Amino acid sequence: DIQMTQSPSSLSASIGDRVTITCRASKSIDRFLNWYHQRPGEAPKLLIHAASTLQTGVPSRFSGSGSGTDFTLTISSLQPEDSAVFYCQQSFGTPYTFGQGTKLEIE
Amino acid sequence: QVQVVQSGAEVKKPGASVKVSCKTSGYTFKSYDIMWVRQAPGQGLEWMGWISGYNGDTDYAQKFQGRVTMTTDTSTSTAYMEMRSLRSDDTAVYYCTRRTLYCIGGSCYSAGDVWGQGTTVTVSS
Repeated sequence: DIQMTQSPSSLSASIGDRVTITCRASKSIDRFLNWYHQRPGEAPKLLIHAASTLQTGVPSRFSGSGSGTDFTLTISSLQPEDSAVFYCQQSFGTPYTFGQGTKLEIE
Repeated sequence: QVQVVQSGAEVKKPGASVKVSCKTSGYTFKSYDIMWVRQAPGQGLEWMGWISGYNGDTDYAQKFQGRVTMTTDTSTSTAYMEMRSLRSDDTAVYYCTRRTLYCIGGSCYSAGDVWGQGTTVTVSS
């Protein structure tokens, strides 16, 4: 199975800050990388697919980059509603494994 | 409007079975697959497998092989996930999600774009 490792596991930031979360795959996955976020008590929501393509309806402050083994999710200007847990997921091969999650808190 | 609605919470004893339903609407069921993902209390997301809405083909994570069966009923646009021989560590929220293929530059990338609300399964004696 492909292992996905996110960093950091948690972070705290202020409104308006630029935030970056990284995700590393245990082998090359080209651009087969999705990003989701999950607010407490809710189902996950797809933010980005194919490493950098913004899902319809997702605010443009979210962006993704990377290919191969190293990927980044960036929030350009943090908003209160961005408090959530963020997950990366590889879809290169089954099982479509997830990272362990990054908990983002607003200061 | 695409919707995915799951069945209600279940409480089961160890060794029992559970069957969770995932009713879809607003799109052509046979044109998409359904994936199942679970989340134990306070933990991350775990991919369980997927089933084709077109022909019922399945692909299970090895961890669940032999204990999980995914099926569909195309007449009602509903997917099902049955898990047998339940253990306490199967206590989790179970999600179904529509698997969409995004074809870009000659490659097709899959992701879960519409999610059910989740079904809590509690296994306790």
